[in-house]
Amino acid sequence: AQSVTQLGSHVSVSEGALVLLRCNYSSSVPPYLFWYVQYPNQGLQLLLKYTSAATLVKGINGFEAEFKKSETSFHLTKPSAHMSDAAEYFCAVTATGNQFYFGTGTSLTVIP
Amino acid sequence: NAGVTQTPKFQVLKTGQSMTLQCAQDMNHNSMYWYRQDPGMGLRLIYYSASEGTTDKGEVPNGYNVSRLNKREFSLRLESAAPSQTSVYFCASSLAPGTGPGGYTFGSGTRLTVV
Repeated sequence: AQSVTQLGSHVSVSEGALVLLRCNYSSSVPPYLFWYVQYPNQGLQLLLKYTSAATLVKGINGFEAEFKKSETSFHLTKPSAHMSDAAEYFCAVTATGNQFYFGTGTSLTVIP
Repeated sequence: NAGVTQTPKFQVLKTGQSMTLQCAQDMNHNSMYWYRQDPGMGLRLIYYSASEGTTDKGEVPNGYNVSRLNKREFSLRLESAAPSQTSVYFCASSLAPGTGPGGYTFGSGTRLTVV
């Protein structure tokens, strides 16, 4: 079975500051991990994905995430927050590619 | 525009009424999915169709049925709506479910209220 836990349902950062959104996973088999972003009244968009290649994954809009097996983590970072980054972010895990398990989401607020 | 199209975007039902949520994708994807999104609970898989002609239950299938009409279309039916089914429903599709999972492409959602 797989699951993810997102620590912090709400995160606030100042514009230009580091963004760090935390995700820890549980999986009995090697996982595939994803980060999605959701803007208000829209569906989810893929930010980046880890599929057992490089452990540091770069995504769109300057985001990246590092897969750390020893810590069972896949935290999402961005060096400098922009106002347009304000959204809800979801971490997800799958082993088969069919059943994805999503975290409960982290709402990111960017303070001007 | 290529993508996943959901209809309707909004719906209000009375308890006990039935309705079908429609989903269509034009990306030649093999797999399609229905999720519901509830505050504080993330997205939960209702049903999925790994390929045309197959459907399987997800985490929360009770009260729902699905039909994979063809490769493009995957509908979700509520036979007798209940207030607990008030939610935002998302359809998604993906190219290859088990041979190197990629990400989903999501529709923009259907906001359903059951009164």
